[in-house]
Amino acid sequence: QSALTQAASMSGSPGQSITISCTGTSSDIGAYNLVSWYQQHPGKAPKLLLYEVNKRPSGVSDRFSGSKSGNTASLTLSGLQAEDEADYYCCSYASSSTPYVFGTGTKVTVL
Amino acid sequence: QVQLVQSGAEVKQPGDSVKVSCKASGYTFSSNTISWVRQAPGQGLEWMGWVSAYNGHTKYEQKFQGRVTMTTDTSTDTAYMELRSLRSDDTAMYYCARVYYDTHGMDVWGQGTTVTVSS
Repeated sequence: QSALTQAASMSGSPGQSITISCTGTSSDIGAYNLVSWYQQHPGKAPKLLLYEVNKRPSGVSDRFSGSKSGNTASLTLSGLQAEDEADYYCCSYASSSTPYVFGTGTKVTVL
Repeated sequence: QVQLVQSGAEVKQPGDSVKVSCKASGYTFSSNTISWVRQAPGQGLEWMGWVSAYNGHTKYEQKFQGRVTMTTDTSTDTAYMELRSLRSDDTAMYYCARVYYDTHGMDVWGQGTTVTVSS
């Protein structure tokens, strides 16, 4: 199972919005509404931001939103803040034989 | 609070085995699946496999088949991941994570265990 494709890096100014794309195939993202997104700060464990494409766990800011179209999922960070500077990973359920595949990761820099 | 606490850092030689533990607290351990995810230095996340804390069923990423064993001990609410025939490219941070029911979101993560493989 190949990793999902994400841009290596993105940047934005405080207050702006950025959208991170995650491209897979008809066997993973395209087949299931089971895309999750994770935020990872340096030296820390990943944190769940979204699950089932666009659902936020309790405590996650509503500045994070998700969507999916075909084989591509997207994470939008609205009103960028300094603390949003981190790595972001998508993940999709892929099949019963190989349940999960992660994206390649996107490093977000707040200018 | 709900948490997963992993065992400490390990230094191994090529060919050795390592067994990492992940102790759960704050929730009913047998209700969820535990996934194991690793991250090589400067690299992305890589899913290794999962183990059901309910019935012990496992599913491994193909590249680890034959080299990894994931188990649980419901008497101590602990999950284990053993990786054998270690190579230098197994040097990584290893995380356990709770898979939240059918959402397939990994909502609780351990702090990570560094495994260094070096001669």
